Order: sequence, then C-alpha cells, then structure tokens
Amino acid sequence: ILNVEQSPQSLHVQEGDSTNFTCSFPSSNFYALHWYRWETAKSPEALFVMTLNGDEKKKGRISATLNTKEGYSYLYIKGSQPEDSATYLCAPSTSGTYKYIFGTGTRLKVLA
Amino acid sequence: DGGITQSPKYLFRKEGQNVTLSCEQNLNHDAMYWYRQDPGQGLRLIYYSQIVNDFQKGDIAEGYSVSREKKESFPLTVTSAQKNPTAFYLCASSIHRDGNYGYTFGSGTRLTVV
Repeated sequence: ILNVEQSPQSLHVQEGDSTNFTCSFPSSNFYALHWYRWETAKSPEALFVMTLNGDEKKKGRISATLNTKEGYSYLYIKGSQPEDSATYLCAPSTSGTYKYIFGTGTRLKVLA
Repeated sequence: DGGITQSPKYLFRKEGQNVTLSCEQNLNHDAMYWYRQDPGQGLRLIYYSQIVNDFQKGDIAEGYSVSREKKESFPLTVTSAQKNPTAFYLCASSIHRDGNYGYTFGSGTRLTVV
C-alpha cells in the first residue's frame, strides 16, 4: 500500500497570511496526484489533478507544485481567508492501479 | 444538477445485521468508489468499479460486498462479518477509470453499530 504523509496535521493562520502544506509519497511508479479541499459538513471538492514532474497548477489564490522524482507535492494558499478553512487532502496513485491513496490531510483554520 | 447522492445520511445497525448503503450518480461517470474514514486515518478504499458488472477489492474489502448492475448505482453492503463497521462512508465517481479528472464525492453516510 502506498504510504502517503501530509504535514503539518493542522495549523492555524491569521487572515491574510500565506501558507503551504506538504504531501510526501513514494516516487517509484508514480502515475498522478489529486488535491482536494474538504470543508466541514460538505463533500470533498477536487482542486487539482497533477501528473507531470514539475507541474504547477493554480486556482485563484491556491496553487500546487509536483516533484515526482523526490516524491512530494506542495499546496500553497496566498492571502488566506476564513473561507479557506478546511481539511486539504492529497491522493497519489501508482501506474497501472488507478487507485488513489489518501493522506490523513492537513486541517487549516484561518482566523479572522 | 448532476452529482452523487448517498443515502441515508445517518444509519444505525444492530450487531449481526447486514446493511446496505446507497450511492447513485447522474454524471455518466464510468468509475465508482467506496471509501471509509475513521478518526485519525485517511480515506481507505473498500471497493471500486471501473465499468458496469465489474468491481475490484480495495485495501479493506473484508466484510463488505458491492454490486454494479447499472452505471448509475454502486451500493455497498456492510455484512455482519465486518468487525468494526462504525465509520463514515464516502462514495465517489470519476469520468474515466484512470481518475485523471479527479473524483466527485457524495456527502457520506455515517454508520453506527448499536
């Protein structure tokens, strides 16, 4: 089973701060990686699908990068807002399996 | 609006009983998945189906069964053989079996064994 680690487990930031989280995974046989945002009492929402080493994706104030050679992805939030408060999940998969293994997530709380 | 519907939202089951969780999608997605969440753990894959009439075991399939008789539906049965069924269950779907466009998730079912 793919071992996926996300750090930190949780963090609190002030409104307007920028922040970033890490998703680490084994680099061998990498296929793709998903990032999701999961707000309390809602369904997880897809943010990014990343497949190529060096990929950079952006959606508003949120962006992500991917390094498949060293096995990590970063998620950045610029100018955090209270509505960014959520758990952020990453889920990589390995070639040929089509199975995405989820990390335990990073719980972000943005304080107004 | 297209989406995934899971029902019921809350479910209570007596020990020794089987129970079926419903998952329906109207997105015309090929693949569907069942995940389980326990406190402090990531979502763990129970079963997945990439096409109708076919499904594969995930990482924690013991004590569960599924069917995929229609593209829209992927019900999960939690059998009495599942030793620790109390958990939050999420259903998801993806356009293609490779998941390259990401997953769409339902809102979940919280199962409690009483």
